[in-house]
Amino acid sequence: DTEVTQTPKHLVMGMTNKKSLKCEQHMGHRAMYWYKQKAKKPPELMFVYSYEKLSINESVPSRFSPECPNSSLLNLHLHALQPEDSALYLCASKTGENTEAFFGQGTRLTVV
Amino acid sequence: GQQLNQSPQSMFIQEGEDVSMNCTSSSIFNTWLWYKQDPGEGPVLLIALYKAGELTSNGRLTAQFGITRKDSFLNISASIPSDVGIYFCAGQQAGTASKLTFGTGTRLQVTL
Repeated sequence: DTEVTQTPKHLVMGMTNKKSLKCEQHMGHRAMYWYKQKAKKPPELMFVYSYEKLSINESVPSRFSPECPNSSLLNLHLHALQPEDSALYLCASKTGENTEAFFGQGTRLTVV
Repeated sequence: GQQLNQSPQSMFIQEGEDVSMNCTSSSIFNTWLWYKQDPGEGPVLLIALYKAGELTSNGRLTAQFGITRKDSFLNISASIPSDVGIYFCAGQQAGTASKLTFGTGTRLQVTL
């Protein structure tokens, strides 16, 4: 089983809304990632969690707030987003050093 | 952030033709990964490479980890219509929570 599950698949939110994206994996992976992907561009790293602790923050604006409540779950809390934040948000996980990362199907976010 | 140079940017080929694409970097990587992404979906792992010089096959796909650890190529033999999509290379350095750096992508279109 190499499944990373993201919910919701689509999300439309207003600029004053608060919403959350969810990512779940049951492969025992200890590293989990959030990526942002704009149309016709490669994914760009936002955050990395290692053993449930934030390891890397790629200078992401504070309106994006990650959370890792346990080893299987990764959330991305969204607040006061801008229309330019509209993108495909991807979650990934991997088991350890020198191993491959598996991606979820993504959440298509539209900010209106 | 850093992106890897991937070429060609796009290609139109006829069904049955072989395809070749490559990725180069100014940095050394411990792992090279190749993904395929369909519109609106997450990247799907095709091949993972762990050692310099390694040549790995997955069905009609063959990929190699360059000797210098700064490049990789992917070949697709006897292309079929379902090969259409965007192919990304990705380089990964050592560490459980290491960054995955993506190439700029190759858009493949197959004509019958």
